[in-house]
Amino acid sequence: QKEVEQNSGPLSVPEGAIASLNCTYSDRVSQSFFWYRQYSGKSPELIMSIYSNGDKEDGRFTAQLNKASQYVSLLIRDSQPSDSATYLCAVNGAGNMLTFGGGTRLMVKP
Amino acid sequence: EPEVTQTPSHQVTQMGQEVILRCVPISNHLYFYWYRQILGQKVEFLVSFYNNEISEKSEIFDDQFSVERPDGSNFTLKIRSTKLEDSAMYFCASMGQGASQPQHFGDGTRLSIL
Repeated sequence: QKEVEQNSGPLSVPEGAIASLNCTYSDRVSQSFFWYRQYSGKSPELIMSIYSNGDKEDGRFTAQLNKASQYVSLLIRDSQPSDSATYLCAVNGAGNMLTFGGGTRLMVKP
Repeated sequence: EPEVTQTPSHQVTQMGQEVILRCVPISNHLYFYWYRQILGQKVEFLVSFYNNEISEKSEIFDDQFSVERPDGSNFTLKIRSTKLEDSAMYFCASMGQGASQPQHFGDGTRLSIL
Protein backbone atom coordinates (compact mmCIF):
# COMPACT_ATOMS: atom_id res chain seq x y z
CA GLN A 1 0.00 0.00 0.00
CA LYS A 2 1.59 3.24 -1.13
CA GLU A 3 1.25 5.98 1.44
CA VAL A 4 1.80 9.70 1.38
CA GLU A 5 1.70 11.35 4.78
CA GLN A 6 1.22 14.99 5.70
CA ASN A 7 0.51 16.77 8.94
CA SER A 8 -3.11 17.88 8.66
CA GLY A 9 -2.47 21.15 10.50
CA PRO A 10 -3.70 23.78 10.63
CA LEU A 11 -0.36 25.47 10.22
CA SER A 12 -0.77 29.09 11.21
CA VAL A 13 1.81 31.69 10.16
CA PRO A 14 1.76 35.48 10.20
CA GLU A 15 1.67 37.39 6.95
CA GLY A 16 5.16 37.81 5.52
CA ALA A 17 6.58 34.76 7.29
CA ILE A 18 7.89 31.54 5.73
CA ALA A 19 5.50 28.60 5.73
CA SER A 20 7.10 25.15 5.71
CA LEU A 21 5.02 22.16 4.61
CA ASN A 22 6.29 18.60 4.80
CA CYS A 23 5.43 15.27 3.24
CA THR A 24 6.79 11.71 3.46
CA TYR A 25 6.12 8.87 1.08
CA SER A 26 6.50 5.13 1.30
CA ASP A 27 7.18 3.98 -2.27
CA ARG A 28 10.93 4.12 -2.87
CA VAL A 29 10.60 3.84 -6.64
CA SER A 30 8.55 7.04 -6.95
CA GLN A 31 10.17 9.46 -9.36
CA SER A 32 7.88 12.47 -9.59
CA PHE A 33 6.53 14.67 -6.84
CA PHE A 34 3.99 17.44 -6.95
CA TRP A 35 2.51 20.07 -4.71
CA TYR A 36 -1.06 21.13 -5.34
CA ARG A 37 -3.03 23.87 -3.65
CA GLN A 38 -6.70 23.28 -2.95
CA TYR A 39 -9.06 26.00 -1.82
CA SER A 40 -12.17 24.82 0.01
CA GLY A 41 -14.64 23.28 -2.42
CA LYS A 42 -12.30 23.71 -5.37
CA SER A 43 -10.08 21.43 -7.42
CA PRO A 44 -6.35 20.82 -6.89
CA GLU A 45 -4.21 23.45 -8.60
CA LEU A 46 -0.61 22.59 -9.50
CA ILE A 47 1.95 24.68 -7.62
CA MET A 48 5.25 22.87 -8.10
CA SER A 49 6.73 19.72 -9.52
CA ILE A 50 10.10 18.24 -8.57
CA TYR A 51 11.89 15.21 -9.93
CA SER A 52 15.46 15.22 -8.60
CA ASN A 53 17.07 15.63 -5.22
CA GLY A 54 17.67 19.16 -4.03
CA ASP A 55 15.79 22.40 -4.24
CA LYS A 56 13.64 23.88 -6.98
CA GLU A 57 12.53 27.49 -6.77
CA ASP A 58 9.63 29.20 -8.52
CA GLY A 59 8.84 32.69 -7.32
CA ARG A 60 7.91 32.55 -3.65
CA PHE A 61 7.76 28.75 -3.68
CA THR A 62 10.63 26.33 -3.13
CA ALA A 63 10.20 22.58 -3.32
CA GLN A 64 12.77 20.32 -1.70
CA LEU A 65 13.25 16.62 -2.37
CA ASN A 66 15.30 14.04 -0.50
CA LYS A 67 14.76 10.61 -2.02
CA ALA A 68 17.02 8.85 0.48
CA SER A 69 14.80 10.07 3.32
CA GLN A 70 11.63 9.81 1.19
CA TYR A 71 10.79 13.37 2.08
CA VAL A 72 9.38 16.28 0.12
CA SER A 73 8.79 19.78 1.40
CA LEU A 74 7.37 23.07 0.20
CA LEU A 75 8.48 26.46 1.46
CA ILE A 76 6.36 29.52 0.87
CA ARG A 77 8.22 32.77 1.41
CA ASP A 78 6.51 36.07 2.23
CA SER A 79 3.25 34.25 2.96
CA GLN A 80 0.08 36.12 2.03
CA PRO A 81 -3.48 35.67 3.31
CA SER A 82 -4.37 34.48 -0.21
CA ASP A 83 -2.01 31.53 0.35
CA SER A 84 -4.43 30.21 2.97
CA ALA A 85 -5.54 26.85 1.56
CA THR A 86 -4.91 23.14 1.87
CA TYR A 87 -1.64 22.01 0.30
CA LEU A 88 -1.63 18.52 -1.16
CA CYS A 89 1.51 16.48 -1.70
CA ALA A 90 1.17 13.99 -4.56
CA VAL A 91 3.52 11.22 -5.66
CA ASN A 92 3.56 9.56 -9.05
CA GLY A 93 3.22 5.78 -9.23
CA ALA A 94 2.53 3.06 -11.78
CA GLY A 95 0.61 4.26 -14.81
CA ASN A 96 1.30 7.82 -13.70
CA MET A 97 -1.46 7.56 -11.12
CA LEU A 98 -1.06 10.08 -8.34
CA THR A 99 -1.23 9.13 -4.69
CA PHE A 100 -2.20 12.12 -2.59
CA GLY A 101 -1.53 12.93 1.01
CA GLY A 102 -4.34 14.17 3.17
CA GLY A 103 -3.15 17.74 2.86
CA THR A 104 -1.93 20.39 5.28
CA ARG A 105 -4.23 23.30 5.96
CA LEU A 106 -2.30 26.57 5.95
CA MET A 107 -3.68 29.71 7.56
CA VAL A 108 -1.86 32.99 6.95
CA LYS A 109 -2.97 35.63 9.41
CA PRO A 110 -2.84 39.33 8.43
CA GLU B 1 -4.20 28.94 -20.77
CA PRO B 2 -5.73 25.59 -21.79
CA GLU B 3 -7.82 23.93 -19.12
CA VAL B 4 -9.74 20.78 -18.36
CA THR B 5 -13.49 21.37 -18.33
CA GLN B 6 -16.06 19.25 -16.52
CA THR B 7 -19.83 19.12 -16.70
CA PRO B 8 -22.09 19.30 -14.85
CA SER B 9 -20.68 21.19 -11.89
CA HIS B 10 -23.27 19.58 -9.62
CA GLN B 11 -25.30 16.42 -10.20
CA VAL B 12 -28.07 15.24 -7.88
CA THR B 13 -29.28 11.69 -8.49
CA GLN B 14 -31.48 9.13 -6.80
CA MET B 15 -29.74 6.04 -5.47
CA GLY B 16 -29.74 3.26 -8.05
CA GLN B 17 -29.77 5.60 -11.02
CA GLU B 18 -27.05 5.85 -13.63
CA VAL B 19 -24.93 8.98 -13.93
CA ILE B 20 -22.49 10.12 -16.56
CA LEU B 21 -19.88 12.70 -15.70
CA ARG B 22 -18.26 14.48 -18.60
CA CYS B 23 -14.82 15.92 -19.13
CA VAL B 24 -13.04 17.69 -21.95
CA PRO B 25 -9.30 17.24 -21.41
CA ILE B 26 -6.67 19.69 -22.64
CA SER B 27 -6.61 19.25 -26.40
CA ASN B 28 -3.09 17.90 -26.98
CA HIS B 29 -3.04 15.71 -23.88
CA LEU B 30 -2.97 11.94 -24.26
CA TYR B 31 -3.42 10.63 -20.71
CA PHE B 32 -6.70 10.98 -18.86
CA TYR B 33 -7.66 10.30 -15.29
CA TRP B 34 -10.57 10.28 -12.89
CA TYR B 35 -10.15 10.93 -9.18
CA ARG B 36 -12.69 11.38 -6.45
CA GLN B 37 -12.68 13.18 -3.12
CA ILE B 38 -15.23 12.35 -0.47
CA LEU B 39 -15.93 15.38 1.71
CA GLY B 40 -13.12 15.87 4.22
CA GLN B 41 -11.04 13.01 2.82
CA LYS B 42 -8.07 12.50 0.52
CA VAL B 43 -8.14 12.77 -3.24
CA GLU B 44 -8.28 9.15 -4.46
CA PHE B 45 -7.27 7.73 -7.82
CA LEU B 46 -9.98 5.88 -9.74
CA VAL B 47 -8.72 5.15 -13.23
CA SER B 48 -6.22 6.15 -15.90
CA PHE B 49 -6.85 5.96 -19.63
CA TYR B 50 -4.44 6.02 -22.54
CA ASN B 51 -4.67 5.04 -26.18
CA ASN B 52 -8.37 4.22 -25.84
CA GLU B 53 -7.99 1.78 -23.02
CA ILE B 54 -7.72 1.67 -19.26
CA SER B 55 -4.08 1.56 -18.14
CA GLU B 56 -4.61 1.44 -14.37
CA LYS B 57 -7.57 1.27 -12.04
CA SER B 58 -7.98 1.26 -8.28
CA GLU B 59 -10.01 -1.02 -6.06
CA ILE B 60 -12.69 1.65 -5.96
CA PHE B 61 -13.22 1.32 -9.71
CA ASP B 62 -15.40 -1.77 -9.64
CA ASP B 63 -17.88 -3.12 -12.19
CA GLN B 64 -20.28 -0.26 -11.50
CA PHE B 65 -17.82 2.17 -13.07
CA SER B 66 -16.80 2.58 -16.68
CA VAL B 67 -14.95 5.14 -18.75
CA GLU B 68 -15.18 6.03 -22.37
CA ARG B 69 -13.73 8.41 -24.88
CA PRO B 70 -16.66 8.54 -27.29
CA ASP B 71 -15.09 11.08 -29.64
CA GLY B 72 -11.89 13.07 -30.03
CA SER B 73 -12.61 15.48 -27.23
CA ASN B 74 -14.81 14.01 -24.48
CA PHE B 75 -13.87 11.63 -21.69
CA THR B 76 -16.70 10.26 -19.58
CA LEU B 77 -17.14 8.41 -16.30
CA LYS B 78 -20.30 6.35 -15.91
CA ILE B 79 -21.60 4.96 -12.66
CA ARG B 80 -24.23 2.35 -13.49
CA SER B 81 -26.19 2.04 -10.26
CA THR B 82 -25.27 4.75 -7.82
CA LYS B 83 -24.95 4.17 -4.09
CA LEU B 84 -25.07 6.68 -1.26
CA GLU B 85 -21.33 6.25 -0.74
CA ASP B 86 -20.67 7.44 -4.31
CA SER B 87 -21.43 10.98 -3.14
CA ALA B 88 -18.19 12.89 -3.66
CA MET B 89 -16.37 15.40 -5.84
CA TYR B 90 -15.17 13.77 -9.03
CA PHE B 91 -12.17 15.30 -10.72
CA CYS B 92 -11.00 14.69 -14.24
CA ALA B 93 -7.33 15.27 -15.01
CA SER B 94 -5.21 15.13 -18.13
CA MET B 95 -1.53 14.95 -18.82
CA GLY B 96 0.62 15.63 -21.82
CA GLN B 97 3.08 13.26 -23.39
CA GLY B 98 6.43 12.70 -21.73
CA ALA B 99 7.50 10.94 -18.62
CA SER B 100 6.29 12.36 -15.32
CA GLN B 101 4.45 15.37 -16.65
CA PRO B 102 2.14 17.04 -14.14
CA GLN B 103 -1.56 16.34 -14.25
CA HIS B 104 -3.96 19.23 -14.67
CA PHE B 105 -7.32 19.02 -12.96
CA GLY B 106 -10.76 20.20 -13.96
CA ASP B 107 -13.02 22.07 -11.55
CA GLY B 108 -14.82 18.87 -10.61
CA THR B 109 -18.38 17.58 -10.51
CA ARG B 110 -20.08 17.41 -7.14
CA LEU B 111 -22.17 14.22 -7.16
CA SER B 112 -24.90 13.98 -4.55
CA ILE B 113 -26.77 10.69 -4.22
CA LEU B 114 -30.12 10.85 -2.43
